[in-house]
Amino acid sequence: DQQVKQNSPSLSVQEGRISILNCDYTNSMFDYFLWYKKYPAEGPTFLISISSIKDKNEDGRFTVFLNKSAKHLSLHIVPSQPGDSAVYFCAASNGTGANNLFFGTGTRLTVIP
Amino acid sequence: SQTIHQWPATLVQPVGSPLSLECTVEGTSNPNLYWYRQAAGRGLQLLFYSVGIGQISSEVPQNLSASRPQDRQFILSSKKLLLSDSGFYLCAWSETGYGYTFGSGTRLTVV
Repeated sequence: DQQVKQNSPSLSVQEGRISILNCDYTNSMFDYFLWYKKYPAEGPTFLISISSIKDKNEDGRFTVFLNKSAKHLSLHIVPSQPGDSAVYFCAASNGTGANNLFFGTGTRLTVIP
Repeated sequence: SQTIHQWPATLVQPVGSPLSLECTVEGTSNPNLYWYRQAAGRGLQLLFYSVGIGQISSEVPQNLSASRPQDRQFILSSKKLLLSDSGFYLCAWSETGYGYTFGSGTRLTVV
């Protein structure tokens, strides 16, 4: 059962515009959410996170929004740059036990110069 | 600071041959360790995780096995590779808490 879902497998955006990547989750016990960025042939790297006590977290061009009632989070990248082209994984955690991080299937972002 | 090392970076193996991928972590003690696989065009699939030496939990029945002979060493093995074992294998670690840190991955091609 996929507890974290990224329904858009791919997204294309013009350079300079906003990229919005979406993620939905089903488990209301999740209390921490993360976004990872992955380039081909490399491991995922941590990008930004948000605790369930917040609804927004911003880090430079990257902002994550959390809507707990809808069990939905999104990652906004403004302005988008060609170097942002990568696969983005959403992940959610309940912090309990060793196997506590659940990943979405990823969204491939392509930023067109 | 903590670092994670994973090797080899790429590997081409014939069907039926054995496999051994190694992962080591530095700068931390008693980490939780994980093996993931990303098949072509797919998401991240958790294969194994370990909370301590000799303690292995398997998430998906596989042609693979894992071992943790030392606190900061995690090994992924197979006795006989299948074509379907091809993929990108990732090791990760975490301390108790939130978030994982990933290694650079191993591209395995079974031919």
